[in-house]
Amino acid sequence: EAQVTQNPRYLITVTGKKLTVTCSQNMNHEYMSWYRQDPGLGLRQIYYSMNVEVTDKGDVPEGYKVSRKEKRNFPLILESPSPNQTSLYFCASTRDRFTDTQYFGPGTRLTVL
Amino acid sequence: QKEVEQNSGPLSVPEGAIASLNCTYSDRGSQSFFWYRQYSGKSPELIMFIYSNGDKEDGRFTAQLNKASQYVSLLIRDSQPSDSATYLCAAIPSGGSYIPTFGRGTSLIVHP
Repeated sequence: EAQVTQNPRYLITVTGKKLTVTCSQNMNHEYMSWYRQDPGLGLRQIYYSMNVEVTDKGDVPEGYKVSRKEKRNFPLILESPSPNQTSLYFCASTRDRFTDTQYFGPGTRLTVL
Repeated sequence: QKEVEQNSGPLSVPEGAIASLNCTYSDRGSQSFFWYRQYSGKSPELIMFIYSNGDKEDGRFTAQLNKASQYVSLLIRDSQPSDSATYLCAAIPSGGSYIPTFGRGTSLIVHP
């Protein structure tokens, strides 16, 4: 089954404690992205990757890091989380950015206290 | 700042009616446009995409694109209560980057 998986699905942490949210896709897609979704603000892209070792900033990259060492995996790293990073996070992948859908993971709900 | 504007709604229609969802975008360089449906607490899922001016039909759904007016719409015919969700419009820029701009979504309620 074609899918994007994310872990953990829910996470409550404290300010400053480093965390990683994993993302994996089994569709051999080149493009992967991380988004955050906040009430009233919609989906905003954090980082994206067009292939292995190729990553770039999206609209809201501050406070986040990513890496793409393997095609299937695209982890999101928060080295020093702050309360304003409390949000719903989605990982997504696509084969073609113009003519193919993005497949979204189930989401990770992060709370930073 | 690239923007995609949608009326937040809620848009309320009776079962069996046509629901019309609209979206305007600011970046004339946008190349493709996607409509996603998102149920509360779930991830977005594709309804359809369009990149040429005109209409594109898929079952009960029709997407319309007017690049001169920078306007995209989604029509849902024979609306069902199961269509009740938030609909997200996304614009994909041309060029080397891949930073989709999403609208904030329109909430659709289809009442029996």
